[in-house]
Amino acid sequence: DADVTQTPRNRITKTGKRIMLECSQTKGHDRMYWYRQDPGLGLRLIYYSFDVKDINKGEISDGYSVSRQAQAKFSLSLESAIPNQTALYFCATSDLLFGGTDTQYFGPGTRLTVL
Amino acid sequence: DQQVKQNSPSLSVQEGRISILNCDYTNSMFDYFLWYKKYPAEGPTFLISISSIKDKNEDGRFTVFLNKSAKHLSLHIVPSQPGDSAVYFCAASATSSNQFYFGTGTSLTVIP
Repeated sequence: DADVTQTPRNRITKTGKRIMLECSQTKGHDRMYWYRQDPGLGLRLIYYSFDVKDINKGEISDGYSVSRQAQAKFSLSLESAIPNQTALYFCATSDLLFGGTDTQYFGPGTRLTVL
Repeated sequence: DQQVKQNSPSLSVQEGRISILNCDYTNSMFDYFLWYKKYPAEGPTFLISISSIKDKNEDGRFTVFLNKSAKHLSLHIVPSQPGDSAVYFCAASATSSNQFYFGTGTSLTVIP
């Protein structure tokens, strides 16, 4: 079984709809992250959480919210989806200090299309 | 503003030859650098990292070189194999920051 899973893997929705992307991990890591990948822009950090009570905005948090329901679960919500949120979304986990010898483990990604 | 840049979107190399992937950064505070490999329909997987206290780190066929004065790092793959065909991302972070910044990726094709 995969260590980091994301559901759904693909989703097509309409402008204005509320969407939730879910991430679960079995690695026992405290730290979890949400990224989006756009063509020509690489991966950009949306939100990150260092433990269940800790939520931090990343580089591009506008239009998104997150919930850390448990150590193993971190969900990303789009309250009112818009077409420019069409992207590939990745969840990641790590268990060491950010920077230093930290290594992130990524899920397989969720392809979201907003019409 | 892109703080980590991979200026070559794609690279083709013959099997057995050396692949050199390049990455430039602009933030002098970055002190930790990583390379990730990504296959289609999968998430990125960690490949190799280097701290700014080193200028070289080697792991099997993969070597990362860091030139701090030029704000440049490179990934060498020797010898290249068809299974190395993937998109490679470099990433950088600063100890004082809680974020990693990723490059745009280079798609490597190793021709059998």
